[in-house]
Amino acid sequence: NAGVMQNPRHLVRRRGQEARLRCSPMKGHSHVYWYRQLPEEGLKFMVYLQKENIIDESGMPKERFSAEFPKEGPSILRIQQVVRGDSAAYFCASSRAGDEKLFFGSGTQLSVL
Amino acid sequence: GQNIDQPTEMTATEGAIVQINCTYQTSGFNGLFWYQQHAGEAPTFLSYNVLDGLEEKGRFSSFLSRSKGYSYLLLKELQMKDSASYLCAVRLNTGGFKTIFGAGTRLFVKA
Repeated sequence: NAGVMQNPRHLVRRRGQEARLRCSPMKGHSHVYWYRQLPEEGLKFMVYLQKENIIDESGMPKERFSAEFPKEGPSILRIQQVVRGDSAAYFCASSRAGDEKLFFGSGTQLSVL
Repeated sequence: GQNIDQPTEMTATEGAIVQINCTYQTSGFNGLFWYQQHAGEAPTFLSYNVLDGLEEKGRFSSFLSRSKGYSYLLLKELQMKDSASYLCAVRLNTGGFKTIFGAGTRLFVKA
């Protein structure tokens, strides 16, 4: 039974390009969460989604960042026109229901040159 | 605002016991989690408390006092592999559920 799958594991982009990060939740999980982590810092909540719905996006920057979790396929975190400050590890987590524990993917390390 | 505080770093000796404290000021509290994270890896679940008291699970125990906004993680019989960051996290019910994390405590276990 596969866990939470994130890809790519590492992503390098130049300033101004777009970054697309993918997350496939565990089987049977319909709740997805995205977090951002800078070196030696904690996980910063970005967005919480259920299938086809954004439940809470209070941690998402107002510009350039968007997230979706379509009926079919993985959840996508999209960062447009990346800047150096976007360099971080982005973790996805999933849960079966909103009030259950989170299972994390291995993360995507985004590096912006 | 929502706030979770925990010490930045701790050092302990192999075989000893260490207690990592966490205090929180939040609204909509719906449970407290502890996760372990090794460098460059994903966080993994350690424990969950929603009611006051102590939850024990092998070498790890976690305590919660909701009235004090306080929790601790107790690690016994420390092993070198326990060197990692320990993340205190609070689940909030704000119309939907979301989990927010403290900055983490880096634990160094020395021989």
